Amino acid sequence: DTGVSQNPRHKITKRGQNVTFRCDPISEHNRLYWYRQTLGQGPEFLTYFQNEAQLEKSRLLSDRFSAERPKGSFSTLEIQRTEQGDSAMYLCASSYGQGAYQPQHFGDGTRLSIL
Amino acid sequence: AQTVTQSQPEMSVQEAETVTLSCTYDTSENNYYLFWYKQPPSRQMILVIRQEAYKQQNATENRFSVNFQKAAKSFSLKISDSQLGDTAMYFCALYSYFGNEKLTFGTGTRLTIIP
Repeated sequence: DTGVSQNPRHKITKRGQNVTFRCDPISEHNRLYWYRQTLGQGPEFLTYFQNEAQLEKSRLLSDRFSAERPKGSFSTLEIQRTEQGDSAMYLCASSYGQGAYQPQHFGDGTRLSIL
Repeated sequence: AQTVTQSQPEMSVQEAETVTLSCTYDTSENNYYLFWYKQPPSRQMILVIRQEAYKQQNATENRFSVNFQKAAKSFSLKISDSQLGDTAMYFCALYSYFGNEKLTFGTGTRLTIIP
């Protein structure tokens, strides 16, 4: 069990640029979640995958955001035309089994800063 | 809609003492789970303890225990014999079966253990 891995750890970019984050879950975990965490707040749910299928998206996930999980393995989260308000920590978590009540294992997160 | 409220932004306690973190929640469902997650400084968020709403017995994990008051919708975390490694942000979270497949987090309590 090598844990959930997220890359990069930090990303600094100019407003209007596109960014992509990667998450490698624990290998046997079928569920993968993306969260956004801003300063002083708890994580906010963005989306989740059951294997390769994206089953739910939050209204926080505007059309500038897209997530994929090809072949049910790693996942990518892309933000197009970044805005100041996108600055946050993006967390990935994975779990095994059905239901978000199963213990979720979190990565270190990717901190995005928009200049 | 479901909500989670943590009314203590910061707390501190001397090492070896006992501390209790508060959490209240709101959901219209009868079947749900409650969680406490710990986020140490610059480290991954980890699950501390989980409580199933239909179980009357309070969950315990070594030095960590909860006081689950279903009627009052209260879910507090007690840390006994506190250690320096307990210094972290603590988040209370809620999952309900018939809501969205997600965890709803509170805003967190920053706990500092003083040597």
